[in-house]
Amino acid sequence: SYVLTQPPSVSVAPGQTARITCGGSYIGSKSVHWYQQRPGQAPMLVVYDDTDRPSGIPERFSGLNSGNTATLTISRVEAADEADYYCQVWDSDHWVFGGGTKVTVL
Amino acid sequence: QGQLQESGPGLVKPSQTLSLTCTVSNASINSDTFYWSWIRQPAGKGLEWIGRIQASGSTNYNPSLKSRVTISVDTSKNQFSLKVRSVTAADTAVYFCAKESDFWSSSLYDYYYYMDVWGKGTTVTVSS
Repeated sequence: SYVLTQPPSVSVAPGQTARITCGGSYIGSKSVHWYQQRPGQAPMLVVYDDTDRPSGIPERFSGLNSGNTATLTISRVEAADEADYYCQVWDSDHWVFGGGTKVTVL
Repeated sequence: QGQLQESGPGLVKPSQTLSLTCTVSNASINSDTFYWSWIRQPAGKGLEWIGRIQASGSTNYNPSLKSRVTISVDTSKNQFSLKVRSVTAADTAVYFCAKESDFWSSSLYDYYYYMDVWGKGTTVTVSS
């Protein structure tokens, strides 16, 4: 079955840039979505179809997808960005989530 | 956009069947542009997709859970439901329902889905 690999954690200082990777075989040929989950809350879509943002999501959130790696970039990180982030793809007939990355704002 | 609310027993005994319902408001479950999903998350762990259904009755399931799971829809009540049979402690988790909306992928030249609305989640504990 298809596997998405994320780093368990990323630490970043306020105002700096956080990059979260999502590795998968030929993931560049798939449509990748990213979800943010703050503690005690439901996940929220922050990037869909590799690069697009839903309405209301700041431009600080951006995505890329190529080859075997998709990347979520958070620019000018704020304290409110501290959360778990999950990548997701559709693989033939089912959804697959990555294991999640905890972003800590120092 | 819609709102979703999960409901059901918070405690289920081992070997029994876990049953949850998701009530949809401000969106029609009948729309053929939506799918309706169940996702779960054990405490301190990641998200696991369980399965989904469309109003037509079309379903997809996580291959690892398919033998124990049934998802159904009640369009008259604007609800969809989840049953997980023969539960064990490993089924203890927060269970979320979510709405999937379709979009056109400009890079893949096809329609795909994303989960744009989620319920708040409900905790289910499997214990005797």
